[in-house]
Amino acid sequence: AQSVAQPEDQVNVAEGNPLTVKCTYSVSGNPYLFWYVQYPNRGLQFLLKYITGDNLVKGSYGFEAEFNKSQTSFHLKKPSALVSDSALYFCAVRLYSSASKIIFGSGTRLSIRP
Amino acid sequence: NAGVTQTPKFRVLKTGQSMTLLCAQDMNHEYMYWYRQDPGMGLRLIHYSVGEGTTAKGEVPDGYNVSRLKKQNFLLGLESAAPSQTSVYFCASSDSHLTDTQYFGPGTRLTVL
Repeated sequence: AQSVAQPEDQVNVAEGNPLTVKCTYSVSGNPYLFWYVQYPNRGLQFLLKYITGDNLVKGSYGFEAEFNKSQTSFHLKKPSALVSDSALYFCAVRLYSSASKIIFGSGTRLSIRP
Repeated sequence: NAGVTQTPKFRVLKTGQSMTLLCAQDMNHEYMYWYRQDPGMGLRLIHYSVGEGTTAKGEVPDGYNVSRLKKQNFLLGLESAAPSQTSVYFCASSDSHLTDTQYFGPGTRLTVL
């Protein structure tokens, strides 16, 4: 069965420290991978995506993610966290073949303390 | 350029009532989607559309109907609301379903009593 897992409900990081939000997936075929961020009472906003090519993808607000095919992971990272990064983060995977096969993870709440 | 807008922002219904949620986008996108967001479950696709006049079922379509009479609008209908449909509903649009970014509306918070 196709799935996306975000194993951590919450990640707590001190401002200035590096952060990682984990995502693993299980799909057949070539996946397209996305990260979205949701601020309180807002819709989701696109951060970055991996389609093909370089495994390290750079996105908005200084975030980056590394696609690891052997570990079926797509972890979100940032070298130095900001308090304003505090939000809910969603990993998503889409199959090449179907618009309906869009699977979101359950979300990870990132909390950055000053 | 307003992006994706949704009306209403909030609504409270009684069991059995009906309502329609409206999504509008001004980016000339072909693809539009309706999701529901429930705590701890991420977003689940209800219905989607790949162009004016077309609709298709997503992961959780039961109890909902949709229409895409105009390219810029995508309507989500609840014919007979149930408490299990209490959720936050998000509309999104994109240029293509394969690689392009989805742009989300601000959401509609629906409570069914």
